[in-house]
Amino acid sequence: EAGVAQSPRYKIIEKRQSVAFWCNPISGHATLYWYQQILGQGPKLLIQFQNNGVVDDSQLPKDRFSAERLKGVDSTLKIQPAKLEDSAVYLCASSLVSRNTEAFFGQGTRLTVV
Amino acid sequence: RKEVEQDPGPFNVPEGATVAFNCTYSNSASQSFFWYRQDCRKEPKLLMSVYSSGNEDGRFTAQLNRASQYISLLIRDSKLSDSATYLCVVSGGGADGLTFGKGTHLIIQP
Repeated sequence: EAGVAQSPRYKIIEKRQSVAFWCNPISGHATLYWYQQILGQGPKLLIQFQNNGVVDDSQLPKDRFSAERLKGVDSTLKIQPAKLEDSAVYLCASSLVSRNTEAFFGQGTRLTVV
Repeated sequence: RKEVEQDPGPFNVPEGATVAFNCTYSNSASQSFFWYRQDCRKEPKLLMSVYSSGNEDGRFTAQLNRASQYISLLIRDSKLSDSATYLCVVSGGGADGLTFGKGTHLIIQP
């Protein structure tokens, strides 16, 4: 079974530039998550989708971050403009349903803002 | 915001020893509990789910104490390959997703 695919694996941008990450979840998984993991910390939920609807985006900095899930499958996360503190690994995860079930993670995109 | 608290460590443990971690959570309505393992520069992967009755998987035992709102993980006969960060994860009621603790860093020494 194919896992969660993310691209790119690495990205280096200058502050104030924009960047976009892509995620393809496991086929059939209704729930998709984007997490931000800063070095030395646990993953922090940015946004959760159930099919193509947003379930929780309470921790998404909406002035600069946006996300969408096209047709309830692939998802993109965008940052515009980027700040130095956005340097982190951005992890996409998916699960069959949202509650009580295991989430499978992609390898993540390591973003460095300089 | 719901919180999950863990001792970040690091825990330096000799090979073959037994080590235990605890984690506390603030949302009493939480329904599901997990331990994930994360190797350096890798993505988190599920280690085991934590059930109210406790569960065991080989050298790993997880316990849940709902009254005190804490979860534990016990690793017996530790191996060098157990060196990793162990993330405590809680899922609340409704459509809540997974809330992660900051992780406990374990180093098994030969």
